[in-house]
Amino acid sequence: AQSVTQPDIHITVSEGASLELRCNYSYGATPYLFWYVQSPGQGLQLLLKYFSGDTLVQGIKGFEAEFKRSQSSFNLRKPSVHWSDAAEYFCAVGMDSNYQLIWGAGTKLIIKP
Amino acid sequence: DVKVTQSSRYLVKRTGEKVFLECVQDMDHENMFWYRQDPGLGLRLIYFSYDVKMKEKGDIPEGYSVSREKKERFSLILESASTNQTSMYLCASSRDRSNYGYTFGSGTRLTVV
Repeated sequence: AQSVTQPDIHITVSEGASLELRCNYSYGATPYLFWYVQSPGQGLQLLLKYFSGDTLVQGIKGFEAEFKRSQSSFNLRKPSVHWSDAAEYFCAVGMDSNYQLIWGAGTKLIIKP
Repeated sequence: DVKVTQSSRYLVKRTGEKVFLECVQDMDHENMFWYRQDPGLGLRLIYFSYDVKMKEKGDIPEGYSVSREKKERFSLILESASTNQTSMYLCASSRDRSNYGYTFGSGTRLTVV
């Protein structure tokens, strides 16, 4: 069955440090991959997506993600986090059979001053 | 900017009440979705609609129904609210299914007492 795993429920990072949030998926076909961010009290906002082509994808707010087919991963990275990046981050896979998204459980990012 | 507006940010209802959650989008999107979000479970699809008067069950439709009488409005109905329906409810819309261009509302946090 298709699934998305975000192994880290919480991650704490110091402001200015680098960040990597992990996402692994299980999907038989070519995956469409997404990262969304949910700031406190807000809906979800798309950070970036991968459909095809270059496996390193640039997104908004200085985020990037790399698709690694051999590892079934789509990890999100940022070289230097800001306090405003504190939020919950969701990875998702799009199924081309019905165009719906399968969601990971989310990773809550905490920024230490 | 596309706006998806959910009528209430916070709602408290009693067990057994019939509850209506309203969602309106202003960009003529064909597709609308209702999710519930619970800690550690990510987003789970309740119902979706690809056209006016059309509805399809998602992964967890039990205890819910929906109505889409107009293109811009998608209502989620809890026929008889129960405490296990206490959750954050998110509405989303998209124009093109294959592009997965979801826009989310800010959510309604429903507490059933």
